[in-house]
Amino acid sequence: AQSVTQPDIHITVSEGASLELRCNYSYGATPYLFWYVQSPGQGLQLLLKYFSGDTLVQGIKGFEAEFKRSQSSFNLRKPSVHWSDAAEYFCAVVSLFSGGYNKLIFGAGTRLAVHP
Amino acid sequence: NAGVTQTPKFRVLKTGQSMTLLCAQDMNHEYMYWYRQDPGMGLRLIHYSVGEGTTAKGEVPDGYNVSRLKKQNFLLGLESAAPSQTSVYFCATRDNPSYEQYFGPGTRLTVT
Repeated sequence: AQSVTQPDIHITVSEGASLELRCNYSYGATPYLFWYVQSPGQGLQLLLKYFSGDTLVQGIKGFEAEFKRSQSSFNLRKPSVHWSDAAEYFCAVVSLFSGGYNKLIFGAGTRLAVHP
Repeated sequence: NAGVTQTPKFRVLKTGQSMTLLCAQDMNHEYMYWYRQDPGMGLRLIHYSVGEGTTAKGEVPDGYNVSRLKKQNFLLGLESAAPSQTSVYFCATRDNPSYEQYFGPGTRLTVT
């Protein structure tokens, strides 16, 4: 079955430190992958997406992610974290169905705390 | 251009009461989705619609009904609320053939 795993439930980093959030997927075909961010009390905002091509994708707010097919991973990175990055981060994969509705399968999320 | 809006933002229901959540979009997207978000479980698909007048079940449809009478609106109904339906509900839209989904701000529902 298709699934997305985010191994880290909580991560705490110091402001200015680098960040890597892990995401592993299980999917039989070429995946279409997303990272979303959810600030407290807010909806989900798209950070970046991977459909094909260059395996290193750039997103908003200084985030990037690298697709590694051999490791079934799509890890999110940021070189220097800001206090405003404290939020919950979700990795998702598109599940393609013949019916065409193409739902998103989400990981459980990683909650990021940033220490000053 | 409001994007995706949800009404209401918060609601408290007693067990057995009914209510309807409204999702409205002004992007003319064909596809609309209702998800629920629970701690440690990410988002799970409740129902979806591939166009006006169509609806279908997602992963966790029990206890919910939906309607899409107009392209821009997608309604989620709870006929007899249960405490297990305490959750945050998100609506999302998608424009075919893109895979990207756009989310509303959410509705926090508590059933006591």
